Amino acid sequence: GQNIDQPTEMTATEGAIVQINCTYQTSGFNGLFWYQQHAGEAPTFLSYNVLDGLEEKGRFSSFLSRSKGYSYLLLKELQMKDSASYLCAVLDSNYQLIWGAGTKLIIKP
Amino acid sequence: TAGITQAPTSQILAAGRSMTLRCTQDMRHNAMYWYRQDLGLGLRLIHYSNTAGTTGKGEVPDGYSVSRANTDDFPLTLASAVPSQTSVYFCASSDRENTGELFFGEGSRLTVL
Repeated sequence: GQNIDQPTEMTATEGAIVQINCTYQTSGFNGLFWYQQHAGEAPTFLSYNVLDGLEEKGRFSSFLSRSKGYSYLLLKELQMKDSASYLCAVLDSNYQLIWGAGTKLIIKP
Repeated sequence: TAGITQAPTSQILAAGRSMTLRCTQDMRHNAMYWYRQDLGLGLRLIHYSNTAGTTGKGEVPDGYSVSRANTDDFPLTLASAVPSQTSVYFCASSDRENTGELFFGEGSRLTVL
C-alpha cells in the first residue's frame, strides 16, 4: 500500500530552527508537496519538490531525496505564528495526491 | 477576495437526513476536489472533477455524490447521513489536473448524530 509517515507532534523554541521529516512509499512519484494548516483553518501550499535537492523560500526550505523516499521541511528563525500542522503529500504515478496525517508544531517562547 | 467559499461553516445533522455542502470558486480553475479530514488521518479524497461536466471517484466515495454543472460550483451531497460521516470537509481547486498545488476552502465541520 501507499504510505506517508511524519511525526505526530514536535516542539521547538521561538527563534530556533526545526526540521520536520517525511518518508514515503508510493506507487511512483510525480512530486512532493508541503502544506501549512493553522488550527481550524484551510491547508495552504508551502512548497513543491520534484528533483533531488533543497528548495529555499525565505525562512522555509524543503529537501527531497527520491532514492531514499525522504523529504524534510526546515523552518528557520521560528516565530509564534509558525505554530501549525505541516502536511506532507506525494503525487503518485496516477497523479493522485497521497497525504500524510500531518505534524503538529508547537512553538514555545 | 478571490478564492473558494464553502457553506455551511458548521452543521449538526440527524442520521438519515440528507445534506448538501456547497462550494464555489471564482478563480476559474478547471479542477475541483472534495476531501474529508479526520483526526490522525491524512486528507482523503472523496470525489473530484477535472472540468465542468465530468466527475470522478476518489478514495472514499461511498455515501457521497457530486455534480459539476459549471466551472464555479461543486456541491457535495450526503443522501442519508451516518455518524461515520462526521468530519471536516474541505473543497479545493487547482488551475490544472495532475497537480498537487491546491487551493482550499475554509472547511465545513459536519457532525452527524
